Amino acid sequence: DAGVIQSPRHEVTEMGQEVTLRCKPISGHDYLFWYRQTMMRGLELLIYFNNNVPIDDSGMPEDRFSAKMPNASFSTLKIQPSEPRDSAVYFCASSLGRSKYFGPGTRLTVT
Amino acid sequence: GENVGLHLPTLSVQEGDNSIINCAYSNSASDYFIWYKQESGKGPQFIIDIRSNMDKRQGQRVTVLLNKTVKHLSLQIAATQPGDSAVYFCAENSSTLGRLYFGRGTQLTVWP
Repeated sequence: DAGVIQSPRHEVTEMGQEVTLRCKPISGHDYLFWYRQTMMRGLELLIYFNNNVPIDDSGMPEDRFSAKMPNASFSTLKIQPSEPRDSAVYFCASSLGRSKYFGPGTRLTVT
Repeated sequence: GENVGLHLPTLSVQEGDNSIINCAYSNSASDYFIWYKQESGKGPQFIIDIRSNMDKRQGQRVTVLLNKTVKHLSLQIAATQPGDSAVYFCAENSSTLGRLYFGRGTQLTVWP
């Protein structure tokens, strides 16, 4: 299996622009998670889905953030408009059961 | 709770020595624990897990110990190698919650 796939791996954008991060979970996994990692706050859970349905989005920082999972093999995390404080590494993870497998992350820089 | 911290605890060991990384967890209801390894520029990688009905579990060169009385978890790495250099996170989960709570992380540096 290729593992969790994320794209792009790096994204540099200007403040105010829309950013879309993409994730393909491991086939057969029924949970999908979006995390954000920064030096100051470490790993933060933003939102997670079970069978494509959002279960807990309490970690989504503001209305500027939205996430979708239109099918079992694809999810997006969108930031609109982006701000410099959104700069971080965003990880997608998937699981079947309780062991989570992380993707390589998307490093987002908002200038 | 959630992983917070600018200054990670650090552990430096010489190649070939054994390493012990410690973690204190916060939720008494947590019944499942995982250790992750995160190398620079990569996502966290699953190492080993343990359920609360166990106090020890062994993998290849790694052992996880769980002390529920004091809510303490440790990861032992035998014959540490330079490739083991990374940040190690413990994470806790309870069967009633889908969330995984990460510890602060410990930076392990292995010197040749």
